[in-house]
Amino acid sequence: EDQVTQSPEALRLQEGESSSLNCSYTVSGLRGLFWYRQDPGKGPEFLFTLYSAGEEKEKERLKATLTKKESFLHITAPKPEDSATYLCAVSVGGNTPLVFGKGTRLSVIA
Amino acid sequence: GAVVSQHPSWVICKSGTSVKIECRSLDFQATTMFWYRQFPKQSLMLMATSNEGSKATYEQGVEKDKFLINHASLTLSTLTVTSAHPEDSSFYICSATGSYGYTFGSGTRLTVV
Repeated sequence: EDQVTQSPEALRLQEGESSSLNCSYTVSGLRGLFWYRQDPGKGPEFLFTLYSAGEEKEKERLKATLTKKESFLHITAPKPEDSATYLCAVSVGGNTPLVFGKGTRLSVIA
Repeated sequence: GAVVSQHPSWVICKSGTSVKIECRSLDFQATTMFWYRQFPKQSLMLMATSNEGSKATYEQGVEKDKFLINHASLTLSTLTVTSAHPEDSSFYICSATGSYGYTFGSGTRLTVV
């Protein structure tokens, strides 16, 4: 069974305190790993797609990396506006639904 | 980029009535659309997968007669919650997939009173 596990469940950071979120996965065949940001009462907002081990992508203070077993979302010098739930999901092929992790709730305190 | 429009963003209805939620892909053709339900502080729970012109595939435990899904075109899917009850109150999110990958709507907060 395809599984995605995110850790930690919740993370509280001081503004400027860099950290990483983890997403480990067990799938039959990875077609893509996705990171989304979700604010309360909103739908998930796309951040990154990673396709192969060793791939890295960056956007502002966020950097996503991928290995054969896990992905990390690195947050450098976070600001309060980075507070949100970060969701990791995998695609196993075609137009199949994404398999989601339970998310990491990030709070950045000024 | 790909945009998915979901309406309404919130709705309050009386118990026993039906509510329709629309999901439109604005600038791409969505071969497949997905409907999710999300409870507070939990992740997205897949309800069903729909392909244009065919019947939706429902996940185990989801009542297909209660949650009617219609995917009449490559840009529109609807979810109708029939005979709604307070336990159907939740946050519903649609997603569409096409050449841009997976794009999500902004969600619909349903409250049944």
